[in-house]
Amino acid sequence: EAQVTQNPRYLITVTGKKLTVTCSQNMNHEYMSWYRQDPGLGLRQIYYSMNVEVTDKGDVPEGYKVSRKEKRNFPLILESPSPNQTSLYFCASSLKRGQNNSPLHFGNGTRLTVT
Amino acid sequence: SQKIEQNSEALNIQEGKTATLTCNYTNYSPAYLQWYRQDPGRGPVFLLLIRENEKEKRKERLKVTFDTTLKQSLFHITASQPADSATYLCALWTYNFNKFYFGSGTKLNVKP
Repeated sequence: EAQVTQNPRYLITVTGKKLTVTCSQNMNHEYMSWYRQDPGLGLRQIYYSMNVEVTDKGDVPEGYKVSRKEKRNFPLILESPSPNQTSLYFCASSLKRGQNNSPLHFGNGTRLTVT
Repeated sequence: SQKIEQNSEALNIQEGKTATLTCNYTNYSPAYLQWYRQDPGRGPVFLLLIRENEKEKRKERLKVTFDTTLKQSLFHITASQPADSATYLCALWTYNFNKFYFGSGTKLNVKP
């Protein structure tokens, strides 16, 4: 089954404790992206990757890191989480960025709470 | 930057009626616009795409219109069912910034 898999689904952590949220897609998609979703603010892009070893900042990259060593994986790293990073996170992928017939496929989300 | 506005108030309608959701945008014109459905605790799921040179697109009970003069897209669900209850997001792609912009979504409640 074609899908984007995120882990974990739920995560509670404390300020400053490094964490990684994993994302994997099995559709051979070139483009991958991380979003955070907060009430009233919609989906905001954190980082994106056009292809292996190519990453770039989105609208809200502060406090986050990513890597794209393999085409299928795109982990999100919070080196020193803070309470303002409490949010619902989504990983998404598409065949190619901006291609008209290439919608985004989303994972089921990771709900992160930083205390 | 681009701003996408969707009605933040929930839309409550009776089963069998047509639901109409609105997506307004400012600034640069999008190359195309997409609509997604999001259920609680799940990621958005793609429904329909409409390009800047298209006025209308249909898929089963769904219809999307695109008015670049008004800078508005309307999303219609005809013969609505309780199973259509969800939050609907619009997203636009603009070549100016080469990225997707998402609205915050409108929650639809279809009552039996």
